[in-house]
Amino acid sequence: AQSVTQLDSQVPVFEEAPVELRCNYSSSVSVYLFWYVQYPNQGLQLLLKYLSGSTLVKGINGFEAEFNKSQTSFHLRKPSVHISDTAEYFCAALGGGSYIPTFGRGTSLIVHP
Amino acid sequence: EAGVAQSPRYKIIEKRQSVAFWCNPISGHATLYWYQQILGQGPKLLIQFQNNGVVDDSQLPKDRFSAERLKGVDSTLKIQPAKLEDSAVYLCASSPETQTYEQYFGPGTRLTVT
Repeated sequence: AQSVTQLDSQVPVFEEAPVELRCNYSSSVSVYLFWYVQYPNQGLQLLLKYLSGSTLVKGINGFEAEFNKSQTSFHLRKPSVHISDTAEYFCAALGGGSYIPTFGRGTSLIVHP
Repeated sequence: EAGVAQSPRYKIIEKRQSVAFWCNPISGHATLYWYQQILGQGPKLLIQFQNNGVVDDSQLPKDRFSAERLKGVDSTLKIQPAKLEDSAVYLCASSPETQTYEQYFGPGTRLTVT
């Protein structure tokens, strides 16, 4: 079964600074990867997804992620964050022999003015 | 288009009581998911429906949890009897048939069991 690891539980950063949220997955066999954002008291919203093709994926709100098969990683990046990016971010995977969506524990991005 | 609707938004019950949650997916979406999100953790899939059939319910605690989607549209998730460890946010999501990997989530129901 697929597993997803988000090593950082919290990432504090100042406004307009770059940020990277890390995600590692367990199996590269037919894997599909996703990043979701969750604002307080709301459901999850899809930021971006990797299904196949180009390893650099661009999403909404200026976020991008890179699929790295050799390192089994799918890190999320943004070159300049805004206060409004403060939220919980979840990495998710599908595949590796299982079609049960598996989510990481989440990373809380805290943007300071 | 209207998003995924869930009700109630909040529920407080005592242990051993019963509770039910309702979800109405986006119109036309064939796939419906129920997730349990415990505080500080990522969502865990409980059950996945394709139209009115169950695709996967391997992580559903069937001794106390049940779910149905009788007409292939809206769905109900029930817990009977509830335990303290069932305190969580219950998320419903749906996917269109042509983009089955893209999930649209509702706002969730926050359950507190005392």
